[in-house]
Amino acid sequence: SQQGEEDPQALSIQEGENATMNCSYKTSINNLQWYRQNSGRGLVHLILIRSNEREKHSGRLRVTLDTSKKSSSLLITASRAADTASYFCADFSGSARQLTFGSGTQLTVLP
Amino acid sequence: DAGVTQSPTHLIKTRGQQVTLRCSPKSGHDTVSWYQQALGQGPQFIFQYYEEEERQRGNFPDRFSGHQFPNYSSELNVNALLLGDSALYLCASSFRPYQETQYFGPGTRLLVL
Repeated sequence: SQQGEEDPQALSIQEGENATMNCSYKTSINNLQWYRQNSGRGLVHLILIRSNEREKHSGRLRVTLDTSKKSSSLLITASRAADTASYFCADFSGSARQLTFGSGTQLTVLP
Repeated sequence: DAGVTQSPTHLIKTRGQQVTLRCSPKSGHDTVSWYQQALGQGPQFIFQYYEEEERQRGNFPDRFSGHQFPNYSSELNVNALLLGDSALYLCASSFRPYQETQYFGPGTRLLVL
């Protein structure tokens, strides 16, 4: 069964705007990861944040993690049309020792 | 450096049939995991193979089985196909099992009619 929930399910913005996606999970985790998927193809790993970290940056990506609320957010700044994709969070716990994915957010960036 | 490859890219089957999907892991990796992704959903873990044995399994029926070969490549077999088996099947590889970082292949899209 899927553990995480993401919102919004779909997001449409103009090029240059920022996009924020949120993810919630249910159990204790070792880390939380974000992936991108273009047009129902393979998953591309974007960023990993560990349970003892609160914020992490990678290029135009900023991820936050709030373990007290069991939630994470992904911010994409200055979005581009090429950022149009589905974004998934996935948590990795020591007990499950596997990735558990959320339901995803479909991001559309309009030129 | 070759990434994870999967074959075929697309497949159409009818209910009751059996299907075999194939995966070759990224160079240097020895562990393969399989995921099922239904339309509009996130991937769900099926099972993981290491040293030619199933090491971990998700909540999937016995109709789903797998195999790993000495060269680390893997097959996913699904018997008695149901309409609900229609999905994108993703393969991921890592060095050793239970790793937090996995590399995903492009997937095989299966349609069951």
